[in-house]
Amino acid sequence: TQLLEQSPQFLSIQEGENLTVYCNSSSVFSSLQWYRQEPGEGPVLLVTVVTGGEVKKLKRLTFQFGDARKDSSLHITAAQPGDTGLYLCAGARGGNNRKLIWGLGTSLAVNP
Amino acid sequence: DAGVIQSPRHEVTEMGQEVTLRCKPISGHDYLFWYRQTMMRGLELLIYFNNNVPIDDSGMPEDRFSAKMPNASFSTLKIQPSEPRDSAVYFCASSLVHSTDTQYFGPGTRLTVL
Repeated sequence: TQLLEQSPQFLSIQEGENLTVYCNSSSVFSSLQWYRQEPGEGPVLLVTVVTGGEVKKLKRLTFQFGDARKDSSLHITAAQPGDTGLYLCAGARGGNNRKLIWGLGTSLAVNP
Repeated sequence: DAGVIQSPRHEVTEMGQEVTLRCKPISGHDYLFWYRQTMMRGLELLIYFNNNVPIDDSGMPEDRFSAKMPNASFSTLKIQPSEPRDSAVYFCASSLVHSTDTQYFGPGTRLTVL
């Protein structure tokens, strides 16, 4: 059972387009993290959202945590080829449990 | 800091052989995680340690898998005997104590079992 569902699984767009990827669950998380993974490398953290309804911006990337802390979205404005990669969301239960629940990821290709 | 270091980067072995993957976490980090990544199953947590003590090994697939952390700067993941279905990329990650702290991943070891 995949507790975090990411959609779409694959996305191929042209440079300059906007896109949104989603991370959904029926479970509540204390926080949610977004990572980007490039080929041949490990995932790298982009952002952590903690409060329901929270919106964080990182240059052209906008992250939102759902009010009920069950879902999140990542919006990229004017995508560039450097945005290409696998975008992973991971939910934390909080407390002493350090396990992250991972989605399968959205593989994004931005074509020049 | 050099980040999380993993070795080897690539390993090709034959079924039945023993495989040992190595990890050096970031100095000062309290937690160390071993993951396996495949296209079908994504990132799966195998085991994690806190201050060198295994906390949760429920993700270790079988008795063929074992992990140790003899000190704060070194961990190993061993597969004995290896099988073709163990082929995957294995990542080590480390983090600090707070629950929202980042997990810093190493570059991974790509394991191919023939």
